[in-house]
Amino acid sequence: NAGVMQNPRHLVRRRGQEARLRCSPMKGHSHVYWYRQLPEEGLKFMVYLQKENIIDESGMPKERFSAEFPKEGPSILRIQQVVRGDSAAYFCASSYQEIGYTFGSGTRLTVV
Amino acid sequence: QQQVKQSPQSLIVQKGGIPIINCAYENTAFDYFPWYQQFPGKGPALLIAIRPDVSEKKEGRFTISFNKSAKQFSLHIMDSQPGDSATYFCAASYSGNTPLVFGKGTRLSVIA
Repeated sequence: NAGVMQNPRHLVRRRGQEARLRCSPMKGHSHVYWYRQLPEEGLKFMVYLQKENIIDESGMPKERFSAEFPKEGPSILRIQQVVRGDSAAYFCASSYQEIGYTFGSGTRLTVV
Repeated sequence: QQQVKQSPQSLIVQKGGIPIINCAYENTAFDYFPWYQQFPGKGPALLIAIRPDVSEKKEGRFTISFNKSAKQFSLHIMDSQPGDSATYFCAASYSGNTPLVFGKGTRLSVIA
């Protein structure tokens, strides 16, 4: 029973490029959450999705960021036209119900 | 607006000591309070969680104390070991499709 799988583990993008972060939740989990962590900071909520639905995107920047969780396949966090300030660790978590998150190991995005 | 305030930011204890990490919350609707442990390069892992109907919960060497009237909860680590050196995050949420709100974390170092 694999845990939450995130890939890639590390991603380097030049300013202006697009970054696509993938998250496969634990088997049987239908709730997916994306968080961003800056150095020496806590985890900041970005978006909460269920299959084919965005439930809460109150933490997501209005521009350049989007997320999806299709019926088939992993959840995708997309960042268009990346800037240096987007450099951070992005964590995905999944749960069977609304509590009891299991986190993945994260994707560390570096924008150069 | 920071809904969960965590202190201290960092903590150094001797092996065998009992580090205590404190969190205070503002939203009285919160009814789920977990603690997460994060090692460098890894995702946060759930340690222990409590609901407001109990004042204390113990799992192994980890204990949560909860004070509903003061809107505070704390993590105690008994007989701390160097392997406990990590960053600890408190969090809170309430029922009904709401995401976890995290504190900023406490970096714990247990020295031999």
